[in-house]
Amino acid sequence: GAGVSQSPRYKVTKRGQDVALRCDPISGHVSLYWYRQALGQGPEFLTYFNYEAQQDKSGLPNDRFSAERPEGSISTLTIQRTEQRDSAMYRCASSLELNTEAFFGQGTRLTVV
Amino acid sequence: AQSVTQLGSHVSVSEGALVLLRCNYSSSVPPYLFWYVQYPNQGLQLLLKYTSAATLVKGINGFEAEFKKSETSFHLTKPSAHMSDAAEYFCAVRSPGGTDKLIFGTGTRLQVFP
Repeated sequence: GAGVSQSPRYKVTKRGQDVALRCDPISGHVSLYWYRQALGQGPEFLTYFNYEAQQDKSGLPNDRFSAERPEGSISTLTIQRTEQRDSAMYRCASSLELNTEAFFGQGTRLTVV
Repeated sequence: AQSVTQLGSHVSVSEGALVLLRCNYSSSVPPYLFWYVQYPNQGLQLLLKYTSAATLVKGINGFEAEFKKSETSFHLTKPSAHMSDAAEYFCAVRSPGGTDKLIFGTGTRLQVFP
């Protein structure tokens, strides 16, 4: 695609529900990143994929958060048993390879009520 | 560990005035430094980056930043503000090698008044 596409753009969910956030990177981009941005803060690293391999998940806050990229393209970030503190903007970025510019999507704004 | 600190969560300038957004970094190795801009309802867009080449880096939309090792700073400047520059600006640091993850500052919201 022309840019990094994230869906849905907005998600409101009830506490305790599971949510899945999707990221479709720029075609051909090898590297894919997930970040979380709380209101009034900068983006915070969650996890990183190189092709389909999850090479760094040090930023995932707890085991309710998981991510996958099974075919090295589209990625899904899943949050189980959502809590109000999970409310934030979730941003995906992709880059052609390491050490190249990362392009960000518009983000998914998650609200847990 | 690496980090960036952005001084001033809000900056207001008049159209045509100098823009100065401050960023100081902390890094145990020579850093790669970035400035990103976020317009409302849009993704983050790269303005410019420093990767150990020239210390004065020019970016898009007339912005530039100077890497000063002695001051551990990477301040963003623009000689003359336009109304269209109103946005949120983020400074970020990345460790060379590794996973290329970016560590962002808390951001500075720039307002431009006519």
